Amino acid sequence: NAGVTQTPKFRILKIGQSMTLQCAQDMNHNYMYWYRQDPGMGLKLIYYSVGAGITDKGEVPNGYNVSRSTTEDFPLRLELAAPSQTSVYFCASRGGGFSGNTIYFGEGSWLTVV
Amino acid sequence: GQQVMQIPQYQHVQEGEDFTTYCNSSTTLSNIQWYKQRPGGHPVFLIQLVKSGEVKKQKRLTFQFGEAKKNSSLHITATQTTDVGTYFCGASGGSYIPTFGRGTSLIVHP
Repeated sequence: NAGVTQTPKFRILKIGQSMTLQCAQDMNHNYMYWYRQDPGMGLKLIYYSVGAGITDKGEVPNGYNVSRSTTEDFPLRLELAAPSQTSVYFCASRGGGFSGNTIYFGEGSWLTVV
Repeated sequence: GQQVMQIPQYQHVQEGEDFTTYCNSSTTLSNIQWYKQRPGGHPVFLIQLVKSGEVKKQKRLTFQFGEAKKNSSLHITATQTTDVGTYFCGASGGSYIPTFGRGTSLIVHP
C-alpha cells in the first residue's frame, strides 16, 4: 500500500497562475480531505469529500476547487493564485467503522506564490 | 461543529525533562486521536482513545482520555531529541469532518 500520495512536492507559482495538486489513495477510503497548514498554525480544512461524486466546502474554500470522480483521486485546483495561498497543503483520507477514525496524511505539497 | 483547544502552543524542555500537552473540548467527544508531525513532515497517527478514563502507553508516551470525554492529554517522560515535533489531537467520531487542535510544538534542548 502506498497510502496517500500527493504531487507535486514543491511548486512555485506566479500570481494569477492556476495549478492542480494531485492526491490519490489506495486504501479504498470513502472520506478524503484537503488541508492547508500555515507556519505555526494548525490544519485548516479547505474541502472534503464523503465519496465519489460528493464534495463540500470546509473552513477556507475560497480560491480553490475540487472534484471527486473516483474513490481514489481527489485533486485540488487553485485558480488565479494569490500570495495568501502560499502554504503547505496536505491531502488526507479515512475509512469507515471503528478503525476508520484514523486519518492518513499525504507527505504534503509546499506551494509558494510569488 | 466541535472545537478542540490545545495547550500550550510551544514547549521548550531540556533533554530528559517531561512534557505534557492538553486537549480540551466544550462537547463530549466520541473518541480522540493523537498525531505527531516532525519538522518538515506530515502528521502521523500515534493512537486513538475511545473509552472514558482510558489510559494507553507507548514506551515513554502516556495518553489519557478524561472521564467526561471532554479532554485528553499526552505525556512524554524523559524527553529525547527524537521527540521534537508538533503533537496534534484530533476528534472525528460521529462526524465526517475531523477537528484538530492547533498543535503543541515540542522543542528539546540537548
